[in-house]
Amino acid sequence: GESVGLHLPTLSVQEGDNSIINCAYSNSASDYFIWYKQESGKGPQFIIDIRSNMDKRQGQRVTVLLNKTVKHLSLQIAATQPGDSAVYFCAENEGGNQFYFGTGTSLTVIP
Amino acid sequence: ETGVTQTPRHLVMGMTNKKSLKCEQHLGHNAMYWYKQSAKKPLELMFVYNFKEQTENNSVPSRFSPECPNSSHLFLHLHTLQPEDSALYLCASSQDAVSAYEQYFGPGTRLTVT
Repeated sequence: GESVGLHLPTLSVQEGDNSIINCAYSNSASDYFIWYKQESGKGPQFIIDIRSNMDKRQGQRVTVLLNKTVKHLSLQIAATQPGDSAVYFCAENEGGNQFYFGTGTSLTVIP
Repeated sequence: ETGVTQTPRHLVMGMTNKKSLKCEQHLGHNAMYWYKQSAKKPLELMFVYNFKEQTENNSVPSRFSPECPNSSHLFLHLHTLQPEDSALYLCASSQDAVSAYEQYFGPGTRLTVT
């Protein structure tokens, strides 16, 4: 079966520092990945995605890195702000509508 | 109103009750999804509808019954639920359910079964 996991369940960072959240996946056929942010009391919010023909993609203050060799995905948040405090989880897809989600990493930003 | 909306936001029901969750998307998408989110567990896909046709039922118990009257609306009918069904139920939509596109989620319905 699929396995999408996160290395650390919780992460605390100082405001202004960079944050790195990691995700491991086991299906080598997965070719599309998404990072979601879920704040308390809200549904998951799309942050950034990447397809397997890329190894890096940048958005506003966020960068996703994909290492297909070791089946590892990471989300980097630059200059972390208190509003970034949330649960972040990755999702993988090998085509079609079936996404497999990780359990999430809780990010806490310390002012 | 934009995005994906869900009602009610909170629901408490007894095991003998019948209730329905409603989802509406204003994004012009053709695929809609129901997910179950339990504490400390990954999102579990329950049902998928593509152009109003159900294309996925992930071994969901029959006490959960989905309905998709059109591409913009999705319902989840609940009856004789169990306490372990208490969870956050999330609706999502995407452009379609054939290609892999990002899914947009609603805020969820927090369901408590007593």
